[in-house]
Amino acid sequence: DAGVTQSPTHLIKTRGQQVTLRCSPKSGHDTVSWYQQALGQGPQFIFQYYEEEERQRGNFPDRFSGHQFPNYSSELNVNALLLGDSALYLCASSFGYGYTFGSGTRLTVV
Amino acid sequence: ELKVEQNPLFLSMQEGKNYTIYCNYSTTSDRLYWYRQDPGKSLESLFVLLSNGAVKQEGRLMASLDTKARLSTLHITAAVHDLSATYFCAVGGGSNYKLTFGKGTLLTVNP
Repeated sequence: DAGVTQSPTHLIKTRGQQVTLRCSPKSGHDTVSWYQQALGQGPQFIFQYYEEEERQRGNFPDRFSGHQFPNYSSELNVNALLLGDSALYLCASSFGYGYTFGSGTRLTVV
Repeated sequence: ELKVEQNPLFLSMQEGKNYTIYCNYSTTSDRLYWYRQDPGKSLESLFVLLSNGAVKQEGRLMASLDTKARLSTLHITAAVHDLSATYFCAVGGGSNYKLTFGKGTLLTVNP
């Protein structure tokens, strides 16, 4: 049973560029959440998607946007990248109260 | 706004010793989660606690929840080196779909 799959695993981008991160949820899960984890910190909630709609959003600027597809997979887009966007981006899928996290995408902005 | 506080943030233990990590949260919530994270890796689910008085155990780790005190504990028994990792608690549930995480406890178990 495949868990949560994220791609790419690592990414280096230049300030001002745009990036798209992808997430395939665990089989049977219909909800996808995205988290940003800076070095040495706990994950911070970005937003959650359910039924292809953004259901809840954390305290992140509009530069962060997302999408959920009919097969429940999801994308996280970040525009106008800043150095401070460098972090591990984690996708979590869920059905009910159980969350499964992917291995993450390590984004470095230079 | 929900706040989740863990302590200690850093814990250095000797193998064979017992210790407890504490997780306090500021508002009533339905669920309390414990995760383990190894360096550069993702989050591994350890426990989900759903009700007051819930206690769960897996190997050398035992978690409990007191919703009235808004407190969860993660107790480590007879620590071994393999338990070295960062442990996070997270709170969620009800109309709040997100998980709010503590800052994590970096546990180092020394021989």
